[in-house]
Formats: sequence, structure tokens, C-alpha cells
Amino acid sequence: AQKVTQAQTEISVVEKEDVTLDCVYETRDTTYYLFWYKQPPSGELVFLIRRNSFDEQNEISGRYSWNFQKSTSSFNFTITASQVVDSAVYFCALLVGAGSYQLTFGKGTKLSVIP
Amino acid sequence: GAGVSQTPSNKVTEKGKYVELRCDPISGHTALYWYRQSLGQGPEFLIYFQGTGAADDSGLPNDRFFAVRPEGSVSTLKIQRTERGDSAVYLCASSSTSGSSYNEQFFGPGTRLTVL
Repeated sequence: AQKVTQAQTEISVVEKEDVTLDCVYETRDTTYYLFWYKQPPSGELVFLIRRNSFDEQNEISGRYSWNFQKSTSSFNFTITASQVVDSAVYFCALLVGAGSYQLTFGKGTKLSVIP
Repeated sequence: GAGVSQTPSNKVTEKGKYVELRCDPISGHTALYWYRQSLGQGPEFLIYFQGTGAADDSGLPNDRFFAVRPEGSVSTLKIQRTERGDSAVYLCASSSTSGSSYNEQFFGPGTRLTVL
């Protein structure tokens, strides 16, 4: 069975601070994919990134960066110089197996960026 | 292009009634998924369609829940004899099954179902 743990339920930061959202996953499969989604107050889940288990390179996209470490089963997400528009619930998700399409989500981390 | 659309955006019904929730996926996406999100939780998988057939319905909670996708595009999630515990946001997603965006699931805005 697979599991995603987002230990941080809520985080508050002041605008322009950096913030890291933690994600720890569990699976026995060697082939899997990790995702991050953003859910703003409007409710629609917005896809941010997908990584596969064979690619441990970190990724940067603008103010967003992701750190994938198989040794600790973690896929953490950092927002640099946070902005009020970053306020949302962020979900980490896991998809296991080459032919599977069932996403397993964590419970989410609610990020509040205070002006 | 247009994203995933879902109708209605809100549905209020009484316990015991039948409801249908509709999902229109991104054009060209052959894979379609239904998830359910309860307050304060992450989405939970219900069912996955590849084309017209349900390839994985392991997440459906019981036989009151059923989904169809007769022409391989629009899907309808049907809930019979609704219960108060069915109240949640029902999310639909779609994805391509080939190419660089393989298995990236794009979600619709959801239908908020309230069972009184």
C-alpha cells in the first residue's frame, strides 16, 4: 500500500519569506511518480509538477523549487520570496506503478502568506 | 484550450434522492478520473476510465455509486439513495496517456454535493 504524509497542517509566513512544504511518501514499488498540486480558495486543483522515481534531479521553476530525495522518501517544495497569491492548500500526491493512474494524495498543507 | 468542466457546480439534495454529476474532459484526453474530497482532506480516488470502459473502479465506496462514459468523452457519476455522508466535493480529472504529459492529471472545478 502507498501513503503520502504532509506533516504540516498549516503554515503562515510573511510576504517575501521563503517557505518549504514537506512531503514524505511510502511505497514498495520502484517505479512511481510524485506530484504537487495547488488548491487556491477558488477550489480548483492546479497541477504544478510531476517527477518520476528514476529522476532525482531537483527542479526550479521561477520562485518554485522541488527537492526529491529517495534516500529519505521525500519530495519537498520550496517557495522563494513568497507572495500573497501563493496562499492556498498544497497537496503532494503519489502514483505507483507504470500502468497505474490512481493518485494517492496527502492531507495537504494550508499556506497563508501575510502581507 | 478549455479545461475540464463540471456541472453543476453545486448540488443540494435530500437524503434518499438520486443525483447525477457531469464531467466534460479536456478535448483529446482519453483518460478520465473521478475523485471525492471531504472537508480538510486530500482527494480520494473513485474510478478511472480509459476510453469508454471503467479500467479501475476500486475506489467506489459501495454499489450506490456508479459512473459511465458511453462515448469516451463526457462522464456522469451517479449516486443512488444519497446519504448525508456522501456530502463532499466531487472532482473530475483527465489526462493523456502518451507523450511528455503522460499521466499528468488536470482537474475540473468540482461539484459540491450537499445531502440534507
